[in-house]
Amino acid sequence: EPEVTQTPSHQVTQMGQEVILRCVPISNHLYFYWYRQILGQKVEFLVSFYNNEISEKSEIFDDQFSVERPDGSNFTLKIRSTKLEDSAMYFCASTTGQDQPQHFGDGTRLSIL
Amino acid sequence: GESVGLHLPTLSVQEGDNSIINCAYSNSASDYFIWYKQESGKGPQFIIDIRSNMDKRQGQRVTVLLNKTVKHLSLQIAATQPGDSAVYFCAEITNRDDKIIFGKGTRLHILP
Repeated sequence: EPEVTQTPSHQVTQMGQEVILRCVPISNHLYFYWYRQILGQKVEFLVSFYNNEISEKSEIFDDQFSVERPDGSNFTLKIRSTKLEDSAMYFCASTTGQDQPQHFGDGTRLSIL
Repeated sequence: GESVGLHLPTLSVQEGDNSIINCAYSNSASDYFIWYKQESGKGPQFIIDIRSNMDKRQGQRVTVLLNKTVKHLSLQIAATQPGDSAVYFCAEITNRDDKIIFGKGTRLHILP
């Protein structure tokens, strides 16, 4: 069964540094998402992406965040200058349509020191 | 505001018994609901979904019930197995956007 894959599984970064989280969505999917989950809390929406542009973003997704689909397979989340509170699991998801279930990767654990 | 929540943070069930996990949602504009299962160290895994024009949907060992009158969603797992141990999230999507709004989750413990 096709899967969403995310790399790295764990990223440790110094506060203030830039970090790029990578995702390879399922190949025939058209809608892409990033979510985050702070330890012990619920999963929170960050941003949705369709047709090479952001469809919707949450309040969390401020100017320090950006997304990109640099080629036909990768979907990246960049945090420009990381803060301690950015420490969380970051999940990528994709789907064929807005009325279809989103499929999630296993996440990248981001630890900011 | 929009919110999706679950009634219990933890549920313990004897192996072989049926499990019922409940969820209340507050946004009457939501028209698509999903149950996800999250095992330790993994991402949310799709279990079953239901649209607002239905009140019941069955899968393999799982059933989702939707009561729009009281904005209540439940997940029933038949003959619970050790592999069902996980955190279960209900989630909603409105027809105006495509982001998933997750509830806080119920951790299901299976007792031997």
